[in-house]
Amino acid sequence: DQQVKQNSPSLSVQEGRISILNCDYTNSMFDYFLWYKKYPAEGPTFLISISSIKDKNEDGRFTVFLNKSAKHLSLHIVPSQPGDSAVYFCAAKRAGNNRKLIWGLGTSLAVNP
Amino acid sequence: DAGVIQSPRHEVTEMGQEVTLRCKPISGHNSLFWYRQTMMRGLELLIYFNNNVPIDDSGMPEDRFSAKMPNASFSTLKIQPSEPRDSAVYFCASSFSRNYEQYFGPGTRLTVT
Repeated sequence: DQQVKQNSPSLSVQEGRISILNCDYTNSMFDYFLWYKKYPAEGPTFLISISSIKDKNEDGRFTVFLNKSAKHLSLHIVPSQPGDSAVYFCAAKRAGNNRKLIWGLGTSLAVNP
Repeated sequence: DAGVIQSPRHEVTEMGQEVTLRCKPISGHNSLFWYRQTMMRGLELLIYFNNNVPIDDSGMPEDRFSAKMPNASFSTLKIQPSEPRDSAVYFCASSFSRNYEQYFGPGTRLTVT
C-alpha cells in the first residue's frame, strides 16, 4: 500500500527549462511534506519542505506547491541545471508526535546540456 | 561540521553470518533513524530513536534484526543470521527534535551471498 506515489519513474529536461516533479498521497492525515535529492552512492539530501497549512514554499530555484484537496504536491526547479540530475524523493509525515516519514519511490531527473 | 557517519561503507558476507552496521549521528541531533533501500520497496524506515529510546520499530522486518543506541553519539543495526534477501543499502539519518528534516549518512551497501 503505497501512501506516497511518484508516478513518473523518470523525467528528462533541457538545461535552463523548468523541471516539474509530481507526488500524490492518499493519507489525509499527512501534515508535513519534504523533498529530497539523491546522487548515486550518496545518502538523500534534504531540499525543501512544506507544512500542510501552506500551499507554496520557495527557496531559490526550488518551489514546492501543495494542493490539499487533490492530495498532490509538486516540486518546480527553475532554471534546471545539469547538476540537478539526480533521483528526487517525496516524503510525508503524519500529524502527531511520530517523526516517521513515508517515502515515494523516487523520480530520476536528467537535465541535458 | 561532520555529517552522519556510517561504517562500513560496503559489507559482503555469507548467509548465516552476523552483520553489524554502525552509525554516528550529527552532534546535537537527538533523533536517529535506520532505513533500508531496495529497488522494489524504495526507502523503508526500520526503526527510529528519540533521545536514545526506540520509539517506532514497526518497520523491523523480523527478529533477526535488532538495533541499539547506547548513547547519543552511536547506534548499531545488527542482523543475525543474515540472509540473501537482506541485501540492500542501509541508511542512517539523524535530526534535531525541533525539525522534521532528516540528514542522511552515505549508507552501507550490504551483500549477503
